Amino acid sequence: GAVVSQHPSWVICKSGTSVKIECRSLDFQATTMFWYRQFPKQSLMLMATSNEGSKATYEQGVEKDKFLINHASLTLSTLTVTSAHPEDSSFYICSASPRVVFNSPLHFGNGTRLTVT
Amino acid sequence: GESVGLHLPTLSVQEGDNSIINCAYSNSASDYFIWYKQESGKGPQFIIDIRSNMDKRQGQRVTVLLNKTVKHLSLQIAATQPGDSAVYFCAESRYNFNKFYFGSGTKLNVKP
Repeated sequence: GAVVSQHPSWVICKSGTSVKIECRSLDFQATTMFWYRQFPKQSLMLMATSNEGSKATYEQGVEKDKFLINHASLTLSTLTVTSAHPEDSSFYICSASPRVVFNSPLHFGNGTRLTVT
Repeated sequence: GESVGLHLPTLSVQEGDNSIINCAYSNSASDYFIWYKQESGKGPQFIIDIRSNMDKRQGQRVTVLLNKTVKHLSLQIAATQPGDSAVYFCAESRYNFNKFYFGSGTKLNVKP
């Protein structure tokens, strides 16, 4: 149980275009999901918290107009990288927890590799 | 912002030996910790967790130790196997909220 799925697993886009990444909780509902970004050989950096039915909250230094997050249902959050540039090329990973109580592990999707040319 | 860091970026061990991966954290409000394993091109996979009211927790072949006095966390893997080769991250959350911050990671290489 507690499966998180991302789509697509990889995407190549041209500079200046926008890319949407989907994150789905397949067997549970998630009022909160989290988006991370990971550059090669580096750690996961938390970008934002996606809240179902309300605005996402962004970590310091993350441009909310650049990375649009929509959490329209209890099983789907989307991250749109707008006007993508080569420096946005990265591994984007979402996560969620099936438990309402705190202090429970996050379950992660298998990530989306974005390459901007 | 505050971060969670690691002492050793790369650890090489012989198959069958025990591995110890260390992690230091800086926020005294951190109250829940998880070790994750990440294989190349995949998302992190849960290994074991520990709450701040504990100092040790054991799983199958893994043990996590927490020293809140010095803000240090370690992961011990017994009888390391080639399948254990991956990057290991510690992650922490605070104030009973499921938002996790990750350490810099240690790459574990298991030599056959």
